[in-house]
Amino acid sequence: QVQLQESGPGLVKPSQTLSLTCSVSGGSVSSGSYYWSWIRQPAGKGLESIGRIYTTGSTNYNPSLKSRVTISLDMSKNHFSLKLTSVTAADTAVYYCAKILRPGSNAFDIWGRGTMVTVSS
Amino acid sequence: QSVLTQPPSASGTPGQRVTISCSGSSSNIGDNVVNWYQQVPGTAPKLLIYTNNQRPSGVPDRFSGSKSGTSASLAISGLQSEDEADYHCATWDDSLNGPVFGGGTKLTVL
Repeated sequence: QVQLQESGPGLVKPSQTLSLTCSVSGGSVSSGSYYWSWIRQPAGKGLESIGRIYTTGSTNYNPSLKSRVTISLDMSKNHFSLKLTSVTAADTAVYYCAKILRPGSNAFDIWGRGTMVTVSS
Repeated sequence: QSVLTQPPSASGTPGQRVTISCSGSSSNIGDNVVNWYQQVPGTAPKLLIYTNNQRPSGVPDRFSGSKSGTSASLAISGLQSEDEADYHCATWDDSLNGPVFGGGTKLTVL
């Protein structure tokens, strides 16, 4: 059973870069035609897709965040990462990494526990 | 402002049947399947319904989903206290080329 775990700083200063990693266990980030996603949730609000990376390495980002987001895959470490530049208080949220149910699906069946990131000086 | 529209809250008494709606447009729900997630506060979302009406292994058949046109619904029958949680609808949006979510509905079991 695949498990995901997010890691990274819980506090980031405004204008700096938020960097998170999602470690994958029980499976390989390079197997199958899956994509791996980052999703966030501000306190008391709904979920927002940040972007995704396919096992081929190709990426797609939420248009509202595209200019600030980079998602990358590290097959040697079996993890994928998120970088969000020029952060503001509006980027304060719980950040989740997630895996789709099967190739061709857009249902996320495996989620990390989430990591809270606060943007504050 | 979420792409999909859900009522912010819903409630019911134990044993009742409750439905939660999710409204979208032709570029999302109208053209794609809908998934539903259950989220207990402080925890990650859990896949509840996928492809409009399919339940993952372990999800009770008290939970059911449906879709019609640009709207979808989640129904919970035989409501139990453990069903108290936030429920999120989700689908793909062809215009945004990515997954989109509703704002979530907080279900209270009275």
